[in-house]
Amino acid sequence: DGGITQSPKYLFRKEGQNVTLSCEQNLNHDAMYWYRQDPGQGLRLIYYSQIVNDFQKGDIAEGYSVSREKKESFPLTVTSAQKNPTAFYLCASSIIGVRTEAFFGQGTRLTVV
Amino acid sequence: AQSVTQPDIHITVSEGASLELRCNYSYGATPYLFWYVQSPGQGLQLLLKYFSGDTLVQGIKGFEAEFKRSQSSFNLRKPSVHWSDAAEYFCAVGADGATNKLIFGTGTLLAVQP
Repeated sequence: DGGITQSPKYLFRKEGQNVTLSCEQNLNHDAMYWYRQDPGQGLRLIYYSQIVNDFQKGDIAEGYSVSREKKESFPLTVTSAQKNPTAFYLCASSIIGVRTEAFFGQGTRLTVV
Repeated sequence: AQSVTQPDIHITVSEGASLELRCNYSYGATPYLFWYVQSPGQGLQLLLKYFSGDTLVQGIKGFEAEFKRSQSSFNLRKPSVHWSDAAEYFCAVGADGATNKLIFGTGTLLAVQP
């Protein structure tokens, strides 16, 4: 079955450590996105990528970094510069060039202690 | 700038009752609009979408939504709610036709009582 796989589902880290969240898709989509979800705030866009080796900042990119070395993969690194990293992170993908929906992974809950 | 407002943070309905979740958007051109549903700790599932054409769109699980340009609204409805509909519902507008970025509302949490 085609879909988006995020791993791990739960992640715990100590404050000051960088952590990388995995996102893989087999939908052959060109575009991939990372959203952050906090209670009462909906989803906010962190980074997005439309093509391999290229990506753009979203609304809340500070303290995060991404890479897009393969079409299928779009890992997100939460760095120690992110002041409040505890959140639920959702990866999504879509085709581009035409209006269409985004497909979402199951999310990773990151807790920093 | 584009934005989405979901004025109801939390709604409780009785099983079998009708449901309407409100969504208002701000967008300069013809918007494309979505409703997604999220169960606790899970990802988002698309319920329905509006791109153009018929302003009443049908979705999965018996949901429908009506696009009203004059009111900048895209309210979600269901005639009879089931206990399994308890979840959080997000309205979203497509921010850019080329990239398909989405701007989300803050969500409405639906509780269903017996």
